Amino acid sequence: QKEVEQNSGPLSVPEGAIASLNCTYSDRGSQSFFWYRQYSGKSPELIMSIYSNGDKEDGRFTAQLNKASQYVSLLIRDSQPSDSATYLCAVIGGANSKLTFGKGITLSVRP
Amino acid sequence: GAVVSQHPSRVICKSGTSVKIECRSLDFQATTMFWYRQFPKKSLMLMATSNEGSKATYEQGVEKDKFLINHASLTLSTLTVTSAHPEDSSFYICSARRFTSGANTGELFFGEGSRLTVL
Repeated sequence: QKEVEQNSGPLSVPEGAIASLNCTYSDRGSQSFFWYRQYSGKSPELIMSIYSNGDKEDGRFTAQLNKASQYVSLLIRDSQPSDSATYLCAVIGGANSKLTFGKGITLSVRP
Repeated sequence: GAVVSQHPSRVICKSGTSVKIECRSLDFQATTMFWYRQFPKKSLMLMATSNEGSKATYEQGVEKDKFLINHASLTLSTLTVTSAHPEDSSFYICSARRFTSGANTGELFFGEGSRLTVL
């Protein structure tokens, strides 16, 4: 059973702080890793994808991947109230594999 | 802009009727699309994988006769909820995988979702 685990949360941070979201996965053969943001009542929106070990930065978002530890994280710098949402970690094992989602963690950024 | 478009965004129907939801990939061809269902405050549940030109693959516990999927073209998949009942009320979301260079597994983009309410 391929699993993707996220901290249960919720996570609350003050505005301007760094929010750190973590995710572990069980399938060592996983190739692609994604972070989605989902606002209440809306569908998920892809915010980051990462495929190789290390860091990938896009604006205030940084994804970190460590395949040896089977760990992927998302850092949100200078958190804003508009970042308040549920963040879903997702993993694909291979080209024809399904996307496996974690249960998501709800982030609340306090003004 | 939107990569995957889904329609309608909201639908209310009477019990026993059928409802069709459309999912389109806007600027790419998608041989595979995915249909998810999400209950309030719950995680996404994959219902089925829609394959262009062939039968859909359903997840365990999902009734194929209840949720009819048609993927007639490389840009369009439809989900029909047949003989809908109140327990079918949910948020249905489609997605399509877009392949670009450097991502051999592609990236999955979601439609806007369709909120179905069965009275």
